[in-house]
Amino acid sequence: DAMVIQNPRYQVTQFGKPVTLSCSQTLNHNVMYWYQQKSSQAPKLLFHYYDKDFNNEADTPDNFQSRRPNTSFCFLDIRSPGLGDAAMYLCATSSGGPTLGAEAFFGQGTRLTVV
Amino acid sequence: AQSVTQLGSHVSVSEGALVLLRCNYSSSVPPYLFWYVQYPNQGLQLLLKYTTGATLVKGINGFEAEFKKSETSFHLTKPSAHMSDAAEYFCAVSPRGGSQGNLIFGKGTKLSVKP
Repeated sequence: DAMVIQNPRYQVTQFGKPVTLSCSQTLNHNVMYWYQQKSSQAPKLLFHYYDKDFNNEADTPDNFQSRRPNTSFCFLDIRSPGLGDAAMYLCATSSGGPTLGAEAFFGQGTRLTVV
Repeated sequence: AQSVTQLGSHVSVSEGALVLLRCNYSSSVPPYLFWYVQYPNQGLQLLLKYTTGATLVKGINGFEAEFKKSETSFHLTKPSAHMSDAAEYFCAVSPRGGSQGNLIFGKGTKLSVKP
């Protein structure tokens, strides 16, 4: 089945130690998103790629970076994780942008713990 | 700016009872409208969406939603709740047309189903 896969499902990292979360997709979608979801809150968009074009949300901290080496893969890099960065990180894809009514397909998420 | 309001952060129903989860949007032009469900420690799964056409939309797992432009609403209903429906439900909107805009989520409603 075509899908969005996030690895790992659970990640524990040390305060200040860089960490990378990965996302891959077999849907061949041109748009990939990274959301941060803290406990009992709505997902918050960090940034997205429309093809190779990177779109950063205005309030996304510089501590968060992303790479998309090809259509299938997208990475979230947290350069110096703080305790406040502990959250579920959700990767999603869509065919065409949201302004076209395209639904987003989500991965299972990576739960990040910072110790 | 687009926004979406979900009334009630927590709704509790008995098994077999009607489920009604409320969602209102604020924009002069009706956006695309989505309902997603999230089970614990999982990603989000699309239940249904409204883009155009018939205002009553049927989704998976017996859920449906009706777009009411006059009320700026897109409430989610299910005639008879099942224990497996216990989850968090997110209403989301995205603007129509243009090159900018993203999927904006409501704060979510946690549905509990009592035996």
